[in-house]
Amino acid sequence: EPEVTQTPSHQVTQMGQEVILRCVPISNHLYFYWYRQILGQKVEFLVSFYNNEISEKSEIFDDQFSVERPDGSNFTLKIRSTKLEDSAMYFCASLSSVGTDTQYFGPGTRLTVL
Amino acid sequence: QKEVEQNSGPLSVPEGAIASLNCTYSDRGSQSFFWYRQYSGKSPELIMSIYSNGDKEDGRFTAQLNKASQYVSLLIRDSQPSDSATYLCAVRLHSNQFYFGTGTSLTVIP
Repeated sequence: EPEVTQTPSHQVTQMGQEVILRCVPISNHLYFYWYRQILGQKVEFLVSFYNNEISEKSEIFDDQFSVERPDGSNFTLKIRSTKLEDSAMYFCASLSSVGTDTQYFGPGTRLTVL
Repeated sequence: QKEVEQNSGPLSVPEGAIASLNCTYSDRGSQSFFWYRQYSGKSPELIMSIYSNGDKEDGRFTAQLNKASQYVSLLIRDSQPSDSATYLCAVRLHSNQFYFGTGTSLTVIP
């Protein structure tokens, strides 16, 4: 069964460093998402991506964040100048078409900022 | 404001009982409604989606939607210990954004 994959599973970084979180969505899916879940809190929408551009973004997704689909398979989230409060689980999700509404989540990357 | 509210629990039910989970949402523009299950340290897993008022059944799970009351619920019949998890309610607006509640922690006691 096709699945969304994410790497790395755990990333530890120093405050102020840049990190890139990687996702490989399901191959025939068209919509891609990043979510954040701080420990013990709710899953928060960050950004959605369609047709090689951002379609929606939340207030959380400020200039510190960027997304890219550098090739036909990878979907990346870059966090510049990380802060302690960026420590969270980051989930990638993909969806085949808006009509289906069924998002498939990756296993997540746990980001720890020291 | 795009809030999704859930009772955080914990909710405990004995094995074989019915577990009832509730969710309210604030944005009347919400079009699609979802229940996810999330085990500790894992990603959300879709259980059910519902789009129109009324009930939708899938095996032991029944989702109920009342758009007038802005209310979504999930019933789990014949609860099993493996159902112990956090249940997330989510809504999708007419835009391409999905909003999640904080989740209700369910424990099924053998």
